[in-house]
Amino acid sequence: GDSVTQMEGPVTLSEEAFLTINCTYTATGYPSLFWYVQYPGEGLQLLLKATKADDKGSNKGFEATYRKETTSFHLEKGSVQVSDSAVYFCALSDEPQNNAGNMLTFGGGTRLMVKP
Amino acid sequence: GAGVSQSPSNKVTEKGKDVELRCDPISGHTALYWYRQRLGQGLEFLIYFQGNSAPDKSGLPSDRFSAERTGESVSTLTIQRTQQEDSAVYLCASSPRPPKEVRYGYTFGSGTRLTVV
Repeated sequence: GDSVTQMEGPVTLSEEAFLTINCTYTATGYPSLFWYVQYPGEGLQLLLKATKADDKGSNKGFEATYRKETTSFHLEKGSVQVSDSAVYFCALSDEPQNNAGNMLTFGGGTRLMVKP
Repeated sequence: GAGVSQSPSNKVTEKGKDVELRCDPISGHTALYWYRQRLGQGLEFLIYFQGNSAPDKSGLPSDRFSAERTGESVSTLTIQRTQQEDSAVYLCASSPRPPKEVRYGYTFGSGTRLTVV
């Protein structure tokens, strides 16, 4: 079945440091890939997405490139801020089977803590 | 509404009691999903509703769990005879498109934190 593996946290960085959160996936079809962010006390928010190979999703300074050859979708940001402290979830949604729902398969989440 | 609304935001219940969680999706969203997030873990899919079609219940962990949705409106998730392992945050999400248009993503509610004591 489908699965998503992401690096365990917490990841602790100083402000303006470079961020990479690794994410790899296993899927039976040709999935769409997502990064969701969960700020303290809030619901999950879609951060960025990519729907085909070599697509780059980007938002709020974060980027991730859909790499089919390595089945990866690593999240990067060149200079993190304290306000980026949150839990980040990598997710995939595979091709629909018999009109079944496109439920998301999530990784375990990575907590990012950015210190001033 | 402006977003996906879930209630209550927090619920503490005694082991063995039944609980009912509510989700109000964004108006016009045809798809609705329930997920469970245990402490320190990722999200587990529970159930999916699409319009008036039969729901996909493949993620429900036991027959103590059930969910209903009337048309494209409110959904309720019911847990009967709660157990301590049911303690988790229960998240609801809705999507404006049919299943094949997954590229539009989902909008999540803030969740209901359930604690079974």
